[in-house]
Amino acid sequence: DIQMTQSPSSLSASVGDRVTITCRASQSISIYFNWYQQKPGKAPNLLIYAASSLQSGVPSRFSGSGSGTDFTLTISNLQPEDFATYYCQQSYSNPWTFGQGTKVEIK
Amino acid sequence: QVQLQESGPGLVKPSETLSLTCTVSGGSISSYYWSWIRQPPGKGLEWIGYVYYSGSTNYNPSLKSRVTISVDTSKNQFSLKLSSVTAADTAVYYCARVAVVGVTSAIQYFDLWGRGTLVTVSS
Repeated sequence: DIQMTQSPSSLSASVGDRVTITCRASQSISIYFNWYQQKPGKAPNLLIYAASSLQSGVPSRFSGSGSGTDFTLTISNLQPEDFATYYCQQSYSNPWTFGQGTKVEIK
Repeated sequence: QVQLQESGPGLVKPSETLSLTCTVSGGSISSYYWSWIRQPPGKGLEWIGYVYYSGSTNYNPSLKSRVTISVDTSKNQFSLKLSSVTAADTAVYYCARVAVVGVTSAIQYFDLWGRGTLVTVSS
């Protein structure tokens, strides 16, 4: 299985901050890579697909980059509604796997 | 717009079979892959498998011996069966649509999710 490792596991930030979350795959996955946001009690919501493509309807303050094994999600100008848990996911090979999550909390 | 809704028992006894259905409304189930994902309370996400509208399937090897995912295009539904459940199968179960971008190098992602349903395995 391809292991997806996110860092940090949690972080505290303030409204208006720029936040960066990283995800590392245990082997190269090209750009078969996606980011999701999950709020408590809700289903995950797709933010970024194919490593850097912004899903329709997602604010432009979210951006993704990377390929191969190292990927980054950046949230510029953090908003109150962005406090949530973020998951990365690979669809390069079976089984599709997720990172363990990064919880973004209010400082 | 297209919506997904999970349904099924919220409580299943150990060793029995968990059965859930996902109803797709506002659009056709055809021409898409459809997936199940689960999340134990307070933990991360685990992909269970997917079914194509034609009926072909792909499962997570860790669950493959116990899982069956099927589709009923006439009802616009797809279903999950997980046999021989234990307490470790207690989780929120989500159904999701799999979007595919590209042809020769298809990139797949979950673009639409149901709200999820909690299934507890307990006697």
